[in-house]
Amino acid sequence: DARVTQTPRHKVTEMGQEVTMRCQPILGHNTVFWYRQTMMQGLELLAYFRNRAPLDDSGMPKDRFSAEMPDATLATLKIQPSEPRDSAVYFCASGPGQGRETQYFGPGTRLLVL
Amino acid sequence: RKEVEQDPGPFNVPEGATVAFNCTYSNSASQSFFWYRQDCRKEPKLLMSVYSSGNEDGRFTAQLNRASQYISLLIRDSKLSDSATYLCVVNWYSSASKIIFGSGTRLSIRP
Repeated sequence: DARVTQTPRHKVTEMGQEVTMRCQPILGHNTVFWYRQTMMQGLELLAYFRNRAPLDDSGMPKDRFSAEMPDATLATLKIQPSEPRDSAVYFCASGPGQGRETQYFGPGTRLLVL
Repeated sequence: RKEVEQDPGPFNVPEGATVAFNCTYSNSASQSFFWYRQDCRKEPKLLMSVYSSGNEDGRFTAQLNRASQYISLLIRDSKLSDSATYLCVVNWYSSASKIIFGSGTRLSIRP
């Protein structure tokens, strides 16, 4: 049963520290999405990759957030420096990219910035 | 106006009842539509795609009304396990794919 995996599952850090979240998409999927979910804002798309190339990162605060795909099996989302308002659940999702953008989500990283 | 809107609920219905909820979208160029369910403190899971002709998967029926710009989800013979938040997703394509999730409708099934 292929699944998207994310690490770490939980992260508590102090304001100003760097946070790196990792995602392994389902093998064979060529699209990867990063989302942030909070009670107030719901699920927000931060960035979106196809074949490792960033297609849309307009939802991501550029000054502190960065997203990359070093290879087809790894996507990273970094926050530097982190702030308390970044506290949220960060989901990675992958999809086969066959036009309809079906997405399969990982379990998420729960981030708390103190 | 939000690009994708859902009634947040909660919808509280007895087991065995039929329940339906809608999701409206503002961009008439929207091209693909989905329903996801999300259980408390879990990730969203794909429930079904929504096709122009409507589609059914067991007790679940999804429909698209392009003229009025909404999609709907009907659940028949509801089970306790259907209790969750249901998220609609709308995609449209410009220079890149735009993917917007609704804020979700909470459904609670009571025994």
